[in-house]
Amino acid sequence: EPEVTQTPSHQVTQMGQEVILRCVPISNHLYFYWYRQILGQKVEFLVSFYNNEISEKSEIFDDQFSVERPDGSNFTLKIRSTKLEDSAMYFCASNRERVEQYFGPGTRLTVT
Amino acid sequence: DAKTTQPPSMDCAEGRAANLPCNHSTISGNEYVYWYRQIHSQGPQYIIHGLKNNETNEMASLIITEDRKSSTLILPHATLRDTAVYYCIVRVANRDDKIIFGKGTRLHILP
Repeated sequence: EPEVTQTPSHQVTQMGQEVILRCVPISNHLYFYWYRQILGQKVEFLVSFYNNEISEKSEIFDDQFSVERPDGSNFTLKIRSTKLEDSAMYFCASNRERVEQYFGPGTRLTVT
Repeated sequence: DAKTTQPPSMDCAEGRAANLPCNHSTISGNEYVYWYRQIHSQGPQYIIHGLKNNETNEMASLIITEDRKSSTLILPHATLRDTAVYYCIVRVANRDDKIIFGKGTRLHILP
């Protein structure tokens, strides 16, 4: 069964550093998403992406965040200057028309 | 904000049916009821969804009341691997609509 993959599984970085989280969505999917989950809290929507542009973004997704689909397979989330409060699990998801979203296993980001 | 109400936690004995309730009294006519679950530290996993008819798949059954104001997810023979947080979500089944997660129900399957 096809699945969404994410790398790395765990990323440790220092405050102020840039990080790039990578996702490989399911190959025939057209809609892509990032969510995050701070430890012990709800899963929160960050951004959705379709046709090489952002469809919707939440208040969390400020100027420090960006997304990109650099080639036909990868979907990335960049945080330019990490803060302690960016520590969380980051989940990538994808879907196609009228099909439920499939989530990846997540990247645990720890900012020290 | 989530438009659903779920109990924060439930227990179920292994091998028994787990019945997870959800209230969604303000559901609109074009909104579906979706269920996802999240096993500890993993990504959310789609279970099932429905509009007004009862639905069944290999994982679960979904029973929606006639007035659509509440629903029940049924795991027919719960196993220890079903221990997870279960989220009931109402949303329009658009192609790229975000999912708004609530706190869900933490289901403990007891051996």
